[in-house]
Amino acid sequence: AQTVTQSQPEMSVQEAETVTLSCTYDTSENNYYLFWYKQPPSRQMILVIRQEAYKQQNATENRFSVNFQKAAKSFSLKISDSQLGDTAMYFCAFMKPLITGANNLFFGTGTRLTVIP
Amino acid sequence: DGGITQSPKYLFRKEGQNVTLSCEQNLNHDAMYWYRQDPGQGLRLIYYSQIVNDFQKGDIAEGYSVSREKKESFPLTVTSAQKNPTAFYLCASNDRRFSNQPQHFGDGTRLSIL
Repeated sequence: AQTVTQSQPEMSVQEAETVTLSCTYDTSENNYYLFWYKQPPSRQMILVIRQEAYKQQNATENRFSVNFQKAAKSFSLKISDSQLGDTAMYFCAFMKPLITGANNLFFGTGTRLTVIP
Repeated sequence: DGGITQSPKYLFRKEGQNVTLSCEQNLNHDAMYWYRQDPGQGLRLIYYSQIVNDFQKGDIAEGYSVSREKKESFPLTVTSAQKNPTAFYLCASNDRRFSNQPQHFGDGTRLSIL
């Protein structure tokens, strides 16, 4: 089974500052995808950003970007210009597509991010 | 709007009782999933189904059962054999034509023991 490790249980950042959340994973797969999900107090799981393992270019989505280091099996999330609405639990997830069309998602234990006004 | 509806939002179970959590989707997705979330932990897969009348055990299937009689519906039953059922339960789905697409999630059901 794949394992996903988030070593920072809690983090805080001042509003408008930048913060980086860490994630490492362990796999022998070559074809996989990585995601960051956000879970605000409402408990919805919201997709923040995705990265295909075969792409060298780091994904960017507005204020969110990743640093994907495939050899090191590292996938960190950078949030720029932090906003109060970014306060949430952030989960790193590893996805392995199955030949049947379903997929397997493996989650880290999450990082609770608090944006301080 | 298309999406996944989980009901109820909150559910209470008495000792020795089976309870069923509902998950309905109108996204026309074939694959559906059930996850359990505990405090301080990520989501863990309970069961998944790739097509009607088919389902597979996930990592923590013991004490749970599912059915998939309709494409739109994937109910989860928490049986009395599940000794620690208090948790947040999330249902998800994806389109099997695009296995590289992330799963869509419902809003969850919180189950507590009375």
